[in-house]
Amino acid sequence: AQKVTQAQTEISVVEKEDVTLDCVYETRDTTYYLFWYKQPPSGELVFLIRRNSFDEQNEISGRYSWNFQKSTSSFNFTITASQVVDSAVYFCAPRVRSGGGADGLTFGKGTHLIIQP
Amino acid sequence: KAGVTQTPRYLIKTRGQQVTLSCSPISGHRSVSWYQQTPGQGLQFLFEYFSETQRNKGNFPGRFSGRQFSNSRSEMNVSTLELGDSALYLCASSLDRERHFGPGTRLLVL
Repeated sequence: AQKVTQAQTEISVVEKEDVTLDCVYETRDTTYYLFWYKQPPSGELVFLIRRNSFDEQNEISGRYSWNFQKSTSSFNFTITASQVVDSAVYFCAPRVRSGGGADGLTFGKGTHLIIQP
Repeated sequence: KAGVTQTPRYLIKTRGQQVTLSCSPISGHRSVSWYQQTPGQGLQFLFEYFSETQRNKGNFPGRFSGRQFSNSRSEMNVSTLELGDSALYLCASSLDRERHFGPGTRLLVL
């Protein structure tokens, strides 16, 4: 069975602070993708990043970076120098790679990020 | 390139009615998937279509159905609506491994 956990229900920080969102994905699968999405009040899910389970290198993309710790199955997502526009609900969503078929995304419960000016 | 579009954006129905939601994927994307988002259950996968064939299905009752047309546009149908079907229904189109979501259809069942 697979389980994705976003333990932080809500985080509030002051603008320009760095903030890290936690995601733990428990699975026996060794090959999968892990997506992060942002959902602003408008409701549309905005794709942020995608990570492969077989790539253990941590990456940075602009103000976004993520850290993968295989031993704890943690995919943590960091926003550097947060801005008010970053306020949204953030979801991590694993997707198992399966041989010729496709699986839907399994979403965590989401973390509501509030950036105060 | 235009994004994923969904129509209608808002819908109010009464219990027992049926509803059809539409999704137009990004040009060139052949896969369309549907998700339901509710405050209680969060985001849940409904089904995915690729080249007019349902490729995968989530754990939803048979009242939820869908189809995909030859131009990759997809429709989702919910019959015999229940109060609990009130939700934001999101459609996503994908090419390779990325999924891009539309703005969603907010369905309210009274």
